[in-house]
Amino acid sequence: KNEVEQSPQNLTAQEGEFITINCSYSVGISALHWLQQHPGGGIVSLFMLSSGKKKHGRLIATINIQEKHSSLHITASHPRDSAVYICAVVEGAQKLVFGQGTRLTINP
Amino acid sequence: DAGITQSPRHKVTETGTPVTLRCHQTENHRYMYWYRQDPGHGLRLIHYSYGVKDTDKGEVSDGYSVSRSKTEDFLLTLESATSSQTSVYFCALGAGELFFGEGSRLTVL
Repeated sequence: KNEVEQSPQNLTAQEGEFITINCSYSVGISALHWLQQHPGGGIVSLFMLSSGKKKHGRLIATINIQEKHSSLHITASHPRDSAVYICAVVEGAQKLVFGQGTRLTINP
Repeated sequence: DAGITQSPRHKVTETGTPVTLRCHQTENHRYMYWYRQDPGHGLRLIHYSYGVKDTDKGEVSDGYSVSRSKTEDFLLTLESATSSQTSVYFCALGAGELFFGEGSRLTVL
Protein backbone atom coordinates (compact mmCIF):
# COMPACT_ATOMS: atom_id res chain seq x y z
CA LYS A 1 0.00 0.00 0.00
CA ASN A 2 1.21 3.43 -0.87
CA GLU A 3 2.24 5.72 1.95
CA VAL A 4 1.42 9.33 1.10
CA GLU A 5 3.08 12.00 3.21
CA GLN A 6 2.35 15.70 3.01
CA SER A 7 4.38 18.52 4.46
CA PRO A 8 3.93 20.76 6.22
CA GLN A 9 0.80 19.67 8.09
CA ASN A 10 -0.01 23.27 8.94
CA LEU A 11 1.15 26.45 7.28
CA THR A 12 0.39 30.06 8.16
CA ALA A 13 1.57 32.85 5.89
CA GLN A 14 0.92 36.48 5.09
CA GLU A 15 -1.05 37.60 2.08
CA GLY A 16 1.16 37.82 -0.97
CA GLU A 17 3.64 35.16 0.05
CA PHE A 18 4.69 32.29 -2.22
CA ILE A 19 3.39 28.99 -0.83
CA THR A 20 4.75 25.49 -1.38
CA ILE A 21 3.08 22.28 -0.19
CA ASN A 22 4.85 18.98 -0.69
CA CYS A 23 3.64 15.43 -1.26
CA SER A 24 5.75 12.28 -1.36
CA TYR A 25 4.65 8.73 -1.94
CA SER A 26 6.30 5.34 -1.59
CA VAL A 27 5.15 3.27 -4.56
CA GLY A 28 4.95 4.07 -8.27
CA ILE A 29 1.64 5.54 -9.40
CA SER A 30 -0.26 6.29 -12.58
CA ALA A 31 -1.38 9.77 -11.55
CA LEU A 32 -1.62 12.18 -8.66
CA HIS A 33 -4.39 14.59 -7.68
CA TRP A 34 -4.32 17.82 -5.74
CA LEU A 35 -7.58 18.66 -3.99
CA GLN A 36 -8.81 21.67 -2.04
CA GLN A 37 -11.23 21.52 0.88
CA HIS A 38 -12.62 24.72 2.32
CA PRO A 39 -14.04 25.00 5.84
CA GLY A 40 -17.56 23.67 5.59
CA GLY A 41 -16.37 20.59 3.78
CA GLY A 42 -16.68 20.73 0.01
CA ILE A 43 -13.80 19.08 -1.88
CA VAL A 44 -12.71 20.41 -5.23
CA SER A 45 -10.25 18.89 -7.66
CA LEU A 46 -7.44 21.30 -8.56
CA PHE A 47 -5.11 19.21 -10.71
CA MET A 48 -4.49 15.73 -11.97
CA LEU A 49 -0.87 15.07 -12.95
CA SER A 50 0.97 12.13 -14.43
CA SER A 51 4.13 14.00 -15.41
CA GLY A 52 5.65 17.46 -15.59
CA LYS A 53 3.85 20.59 -14.56
CA LYS A 54 0.40 22.18 -14.75
CA LYS A 55 -0.68 25.75 -14.09
CA HIS A 56 -4.09 27.22 -13.41
CA GLY A 57 -4.21 30.86 -12.46
CA ARG A 58 -2.00 31.36 -9.41
CA LEU A 59 -1.68 27.65 -8.77
CA ILE A 60 1.12 25.50 -10.13
CA ALA A 61 1.53 21.76 -9.60
CA THR A 62 4.62 19.73 -10.43
CA ILE A 63 5.46 16.07 -10.21
CA ASN A 64 8.76 14.16 -10.33
CA ILE A 65 7.92 10.53 -11.03
CA GLN A 66 11.48 9.29 -10.43
CA GLU A 67 11.69 10.95 -7.02
CA LYS A 68 8.06 10.09 -6.14
CA HIS A 69 7.36 13.68 -5.20
CA SER A 70 4.91 16.40 -6.10
CA SER A 71 4.57 20.03 -5.09
CA LEU A 72 1.71 22.50 -5.14
CA HIS A 73 2.68 26.15 -5.36
CA ILE A 74 0.50 29.20 -4.82
CA THR A 75 1.80 32.53 -6.04
CA ALA A 76 0.62 35.85 -4.56
CA SER A 77 -1.37 34.06 -1.87
CA HIS A 78 -4.68 35.51 -0.73
CA PRO A 79 -6.87 34.89 2.33
CA ARG A 80 -9.38 33.09 0.10
CA ASP A 81 -6.68 30.45 -0.52
CA SER A 82 -7.07 29.40 3.12
CA ALA A 83 -8.16 25.77 2.98
CA VAL A 84 -6.93 22.23 3.45
CA TYR A 85 -4.95 20.96 0.46
CA ILE A 86 -4.96 17.22 -0.09
CA CYS A 87 -2.68 15.10 -2.23
CA ALA A 88 -4.04 11.78 -3.54
CA VAL A 89 -2.27 9.14 -5.60
CA VAL A 90 -3.91 6.74 -8.04
CA GLU A 91 -3.19 3.07 -7.53
CA GLY A 92 -4.35 0.23 -9.69
CA ALA A 93 -7.93 0.39 -10.87
CA GLN A 94 -8.66 4.03 -10.10
CA LYS A 95 -8.25 3.60 -6.35
CA LEU A 96 -6.98 6.64 -4.51
CA VAL A 97 -4.73 6.85 -1.47
CA PHE A 98 -4.88 10.21 0.26
CA GLY A 99 -2.42 12.23 2.26
CA GLN A 100 -3.66 13.69 5.51
CA GLY A 101 -3.80 17.19 4.11
CA THR A 102 -2.07 20.50 4.71
CA ARG A 103 -4.03 23.19 6.48
CA LEU A 104 -3.14 26.56 4.94
CA THR A 105 -4.04 29.87 6.58
CA ILE A 106 -3.32 33.11 4.78
CA ASN A 107 -3.56 36.19 6.96
CA PRO A 108 -4.39 39.59 5.47
CA ASP B 1 -19.60 20.94 -12.39
CA ALA B 2 -20.63 17.30 -12.27
CA GLY B 3 -24.14 16.74 -10.99
CA ILE B 4 -23.55 14.79 -7.82
CA THR B 5 -25.90 14.85 -4.87
CA GLN B 6 -25.64 13.15 -1.51
CA SER B 7 -28.53 12.51 0.85
CA PRO B 8 -29.10 12.94 3.65
CA ARG B 9 -26.59 15.72 4.34
CA HIS B 10 -26.90 15.30 8.08
CA LYS B 11 -28.16 12.39 10.14
CA VAL B 12 -28.16 11.51 13.82
CA THR B 13 -29.01 7.93 14.67
CA GLU B 14 -28.65 5.44 17.48
CA THR B 15 -26.31 2.50 17.78
CA GLY B 16 -27.72 -0.61 16.15
CA THR B 17 -30.00 1.09 13.65
CA PRO B 18 -29.59 0.67 9.90
CA VAL B 19 -28.56 3.70 7.86
CA THR B 20 -28.45 4.21 4.11
CA LEU B 21 -26.66 7.07 2.40
CA ARG B 22 -27.42 7.83 -1.22
CA CYS B 23 -25.19 9.24 -3.91
CA HIS B 24 -26.89 10.34 -7.10
CA GLN B 25 -25.14 11.49 -10.26
CA THR B 26 -26.41 12.91 -13.52
CA GLU B 27 -23.13 12.58 -15.46
CA ASN B 28 -23.20 8.89 -16.43
CA HIS B 29 -19.78 8.27 -14.86
CA ARG B 30 -18.81 4.62 -14.62
CA TYR B 31 -16.68 4.92 -11.46
CA MET B 32 -18.24 5.93 -8.13
CA TYR B 33 -16.67 5.88 -4.69
CA TRP B 34 -17.60 6.16 -1.04
CA TYR B 35 -15.04 7.64 1.35
CA ARG B 36 -15.09 8.52 5.01
CA GLN B 37 -13.16 11.43 6.43
CA ASP B 38 -11.99 11.44 10.03
CA PRO B 39 -9.56 13.69 11.90
CA GLY B 40 -6.10 12.17 11.86
CA HIS B 41 -6.94 9.73 9.07
CA GLY B 42 -7.77 11.83 6.08
CA LEU B 43 -10.01 10.33 3.43
CA ARG B 44 -10.29 6.57 3.31
CA LEU B 45 -11.98 4.41 0.71
CA ILE B 46 -14.92 2.34 1.92
CA HIS B 47 -16.22 0.81 -1.32
CA TYR B 48 -16.19 1.68 -4.97
CA SER B 49 -18.11 0.74 -8.09
CA TYR B 50 -16.89 0.38 -11.65
CA GLY B 51 -20.29 -0.23 -13.20
CA VAL B 52 -23.85 -1.36 -12.52
CA LYS B 53 -23.74 -4.26 -10.05
CA ASP B 54 -19.90 -4.13 -10.10
CA THR B 55 -18.50 -3.13 -6.72
CA ASP B 56 -15.39 -3.80 -4.69
CA LYS B 57 -14.10 -3.20 -1.20
CA GLY B 58 -11.81 -0.45 -0.08
CA GLU B 59 -9.53 -0.28 2.91
CA VAL B 60 -12.23 0.31 5.56
CA SER B 61 -15.16 -1.75 4.28
CA ASP B 62 -16.01 -3.69 7.46
CA GLY B 63 -19.52 -2.84 8.64
CA TYR B 64 -20.53 -1.33 5.31
CA SER B 65 -22.26 -2.64 2.22
CA VAL B 66 -23.02 -0.98 -1.10
CA SER B 67 -25.33 -1.41 -4.03
CA ARG B 68 -25.45 -0.02 -7.51
CA SER B 69 -28.54 -1.14 -9.38
CA LYS B 70 -28.41 1.71 -11.88
CA THR B 71 -25.65 3.96 -13.17
CA GLU B 72 -26.83 7.08 -11.41
CA ASP B 73 -27.22 5.76 -7.85
CA PHE B 74 -24.63 4.32 -5.46
CA LEU B 75 -25.97 3.44 -2.02
CA LEU B 76 -23.92 2.96 1.13
CA THR B 77 -25.57 0.97 3.92
CA LEU B 78 -24.58 0.58 7.53
CA GLU B 79 -26.51 -2.53 8.55
CA SER B 80 -26.15 -1.83 12.28
CA ALA B 81 -24.55 1.51 12.97
CA THR B 82 -21.84 1.82 15.61
CA SER B 83 -20.30 4.88 17.25
CA SER B 84 -17.06 4.23 15.35
CA GLN B 85 -18.96 4.95 12.15
CA THR B 86 -19.58 8.53 13.20
CA SER B 87 -17.88 10.39 10.38
CA VAL B 88 -18.30 12.55 7.35
CA TYR B 89 -18.99 10.48 4.26
CA PHE B 90 -18.11 11.67 0.77
CA CYS B 91 -19.24 10.26 -2.51
CA ALA B 92 -16.99 10.84 -5.51
CA LEU B 93 -17.06 9.99 -9.16
CA GLY B 94 -14.81 10.05 -12.18
CA ALA B 95 -11.77 8.21 -13.43
CA GLY B 96 -9.62 11.15 -14.41
CA GLU B 97 -10.88 14.42 -13.08
CA LEU B 98 -12.62 13.81 -9.78
CA PHE B 99 -15.90 15.21 -8.56
CA PHE B 100 -16.97 15.06 -4.94
CA GLY B 101 -20.35 15.33 -3.33
CA GLU B 102 -20.89 17.82 -0.52
CA GLY B 103 -20.59 15.21 2.18
CA SER B 104 -22.96 13.54 4.62
CA ARG B 105 -22.32 14.05 8.31
CA LEU B 106 -23.40 10.99 10.29
CA THR B 107 -23.51 10.88 14.06
CA VAL B 108 -24.12 7.56 15.78
CA LEU B 109 -25.08 7.95 19.44
